[in-house]
Amino acid sequence: GAVVSQHPSWVICKSGTSVKIECRSLDFQATTMFWYRQFPKQSLMLMATSNEGSKATYEQGVEKDKFLINHASLTLSTLTVTSAHPEDSSFYICSGLAGEGRETQYFGPGTRLLVL
Amino acid sequence: GESVGLHLPTLSVQEGDNSIINCAYSNSASDYFIWYKQESGKGPQFIIDIRSNMDKRQGQRVTVLLNKTVKHLSLQIAATQPGDSAVYFCAENMGGAAGNKLTFGGGTRVLVKP
Repeated sequence: GAVVSQHPSWVICKSGTSVKIECRSLDFQATTMFWYRQFPKQSLMLMATSNEGSKATYEQGVEKDKFLINHASLTLSTLTVTSAHPEDSSFYICSGLAGEGRETQYFGPGTRLLVL
Repeated sequence: GESVGLHLPTLSVQEGDNSIINCAYSNSASDYFIWYKQESGKGPQFIIDIRSNMDKRQGQRVTVLLNKTVKHLSLQIAATQPGDSAVYFCAENMGGAAGNKLTFGGGTRVLVKP
């Protein structure tokens, strides 16, 4: 149980364009989802907490106007990277809270973003 | 601030041998810990978890040990297989009041030699 999917799995875009990444909980309802980015050979860095029906909570240093998060349903959160630049190239991973007590994060497969 | 760290960045192990991955944490109030496995190009995969009221928990070929006295976690993998090659992260759940955010360790890469 607790399966999370992401779409797309990889995307290449031109600098200045916007890219939307979807995160879906397939077999559970996720009132809370998290968005991370990960650089090569590094640990995961939390970007924001996405709450269904309310505004996302961003970590310090993460630009909320650049990384737009929408959590409109109990099974879908989206991350839109607006006006992407090469430095936004990274591996983006989402997770949802599930399990007994809804305190365990289960992760999606990740989305590789390359901005040219 | 609180952090979760690892002692060894890379662990090479012979196929069939047991692996031990270590992790230190600094927040003595933490009560929930999780080990994740991340293969190249994939998201982290839940392996096993443990609460602070336990000192040992076993899964399929994996065992997590928790020593609260020295704030130390370890993950033991029995009869390591090539498919176990990955980066392993320990994570500390910061609790419901913190929105169940996780603090991750830096990761340990396990390389299984045939």
